[in-house]
Amino acid sequence: SYELTQPPSVSVSPGQTARITCSGDILAKKFVYWYQQKSGQAPVLVIYDDTKRPSGIPGRFSGFISGTTATLTISGAKVDDDADYFCYSKESSDNQGVFGGGTMLTVL
Amino acid sequence: QVQLVQSGAEVKKPGAAVKVSCQASGYTFTSHTLHWVRRAPGHGLEWMGWVNAGNDNTKYSQKFQGRVTLTGDTSASTAYMELRSLRSEDTAIYYCARDVVGAFDYWGQGTLVTVSS
Repeated sequence: SYELTQPPSVSVSPGQTARITCSGDILAKKFVYWYQQKSGQAPVLVIYDDTKRPSGIPGRFSGFISGTTATLTISGAKVDDDADYFCYSKESSDNQGVFGGGTMLTVL
Repeated sequence: QVQLVQSGAEVKKPGAAVKVSCQASGYTFTSHTLHWVRRAPGHGLEWMGWVNAGNDNTKYSQKFQGRVTLTGDTSASTAYMELRSLRSEDTAIYYCARDVVGAFDYWGQGTLVTVSS
């Protein structure tokens, strides 16, 4: 099986920078995607292809990758960013998708 | 505009099967694979598999292989997820999501499936 590892929780004050990591061997060969999920809502794509931001996603969201570790950075976090964040990738040989365990971001 | 509209909540007994639908609109249904993802209470997102209604290709998570079937009806622009031999651990919200070159850009609203005796 393929694994992506995230910290269970990250906590910052409003205006601070939040960094959420995602580690896994498959990230050396495949893109990582980041999803935000707020309570009671469907997930939303915030970063794709490691570093790209979809239209409509605020500029404070950015992605970075080095080797087998990807990082989602939220610069100047807002209370509205309080949510669960999941990284996602897929194994190259058989196209199996995998999510990280998720990180609960608290902004208060 | 692109929309994915899922069927309503279901309550099933252990051992039963459930079939959830996902009706697509606003784009060419056969041009994108649709993935299914679930989130159980107290757990994270879990990838289940994908279906390409254009060529009937599917791919399943090893965890659900043999218990899940993903299909697509091109005439109705609707994808289906059937999960069999339900157990309490399958209680979750099930989502369909459109794949655009690897990214899930649009998601259904989710369908709550409750498995309880």
